[in-house]
Amino acid sequence: DIQMTQSPSSLSASVGDRVTITCRASQGISNYLAWYQQKPGKVPKLLIYTASTLQSGVPSRFSGSGSGTDFTLTISSLQPEDVATYYCQKYNSAPLTFGGGTKVEIK
Amino acid sequence: EVQLVESGGVVVQPGGSLRLSCAASGFTFDDYTMHWVRQAPGKGLEWVALINWDGSSTYYADSVKGRFTISRVNIKNSLYLQMNSLRTEDTAFYYCAKGSFAYYYMDVWGKGTTVTVSS
Repeated sequence: DIQMTQSPSSLSASVGDRVTITCRASQGISNYLAWYQQKPGKVPKLLIYTASTLQSGVPSRFSGSGSGTDFTLTISSLQPEDVATYYCQKYNSAPLTFGGGTKVEIK
Repeated sequence: EVQLVESGGVVVQPGGSLRLSCAASGFTFDDYTMHWVRQAPGKGLEWVALINWDGSSTYYADSVKGRFTISRVNIKNSLYLQMNSLRTEDTAFYYCAKGSFAYYYMDVWGKGTTVTVSS
């Protein structure tokens, strides 16, 4: 089975900073990669699919890139409301593995 | 408005059984793949199972294969998860999630229901 590895597992940044989260697949998955945001105590929310397509209603400061095995989620200017744990997920085929998550906090 | 409402979460003893339900509304249920995803306390997300639009194809995580069964009744707009031979490590928050039209990512999530496996 394909493993999904996220890094870092947590980060602390200042409001307005550019934040980058990395997700690596143990085998190529083309662009079948989604990113989810889970705020504390809340339900996960889809942010990005097909590696770089922004879900409707998601702020444009979020962006995704990558293909094959290496992917990134970027927040261009971190806002207080972005405090959350972010998960990548591969969905080319079952099992639909999630990464371990990256917890983003405000410094 | 698209809505998913899970129910059936309770406290159950190890080795016991439980059926979770998910009531869907606000979309054409039988057009979409559906999923169950779980989250153990303080842990990350774990995909559990998926079922295609008509129930003819199902897939499971290795951790639940042979113990859990996903099913759906399209005329009732309902998704189910039958959970047998429950273990303490199955303790988690269980989410029902809607797949996208053509792919397996999840674009709408329910609020979840809690399953606790404990003696």
